[in-house]
Amino acid sequence: DTGVSQDPRHKITKRGQNVTFRCDPISEHNRLYWYRQTLGQGPEFLTYFQNEAQLEKSRLLSDRFSAERPKGSFSTLEIQRTEQGDSAMYLCASSPGTGGWETQYFGPGTRLLVL
Amino acid sequence: AQTVTQSQPEMSVQEAETVTLSCTYDTSESDYYLFWYKQPPSRQMILVIRQEAYKQQNATENRFSVNFQKAAKSFSLKISDSQLGDAAMYFCAYRSAISNDMRFGAGTRLTVKP
Repeated sequence: DTGVSQDPRHKITKRGQNVTFRCDPISEHNRLYWYRQTLGQGPEFLTYFQNEAQLEKSRLLSDRFSAERPKGSFSTLEIQRTEQGDSAMYLCASSPGTGGWETQYFGPGTRLLVL
Repeated sequence: AQTVTQSQPEMSVQEAETVTLSCTYDTSESDYYLFWYKQPPSRQMILVIRQEAYKQQNATENRFSVNFQKAAKSFSLKISDSQLGDAAMYFCAYRSAISNDMRFGAGTRLTVKP
């Protein structure tokens, strides 16, 4: 069990560029979540996958955001045409499918800065 | 919608002393889960303790314990024998039994003085 990993850890981009982040959940966790955390605040839910199916999306997930989990393992979060307001920490979490499903384990996050 | 409130933006405790962090939440549901997560500076969020709403007994994990008052919708965290390594942001979180998002409070920054 190597924990949830995220890549990259930091990303600086210019406004209008596209960025993509990757999340590798804990092995055999079939539930995966994305959150956004701005400075001084708690994380805010973005979206949820069960296996490869995206089952829930927050209203925070505008049409510039897209998330995928094609094979039910790793997931990607893409932001198109980035805006300065997208600057935040993007957190990924995973949880088991059955026993202990309610507890989410978080990765280190990807810190995005949009200039 | 469920909301989580942490009314203490910052708290301070002397090493080896006890500190209690407050959390209240608002929900109309009867089945849910509550969590405390710790986020050290520039490090990832770690689960500290969790509580199932259907359990009356308060959860404990070594030096960490909670005071869960379901009727009052209160979920405080007590840290005993505080250590320097306890310094971090602490987030209270709520998860419904029927939804997949977790709602977080704004956090309490805990400082431990040597």
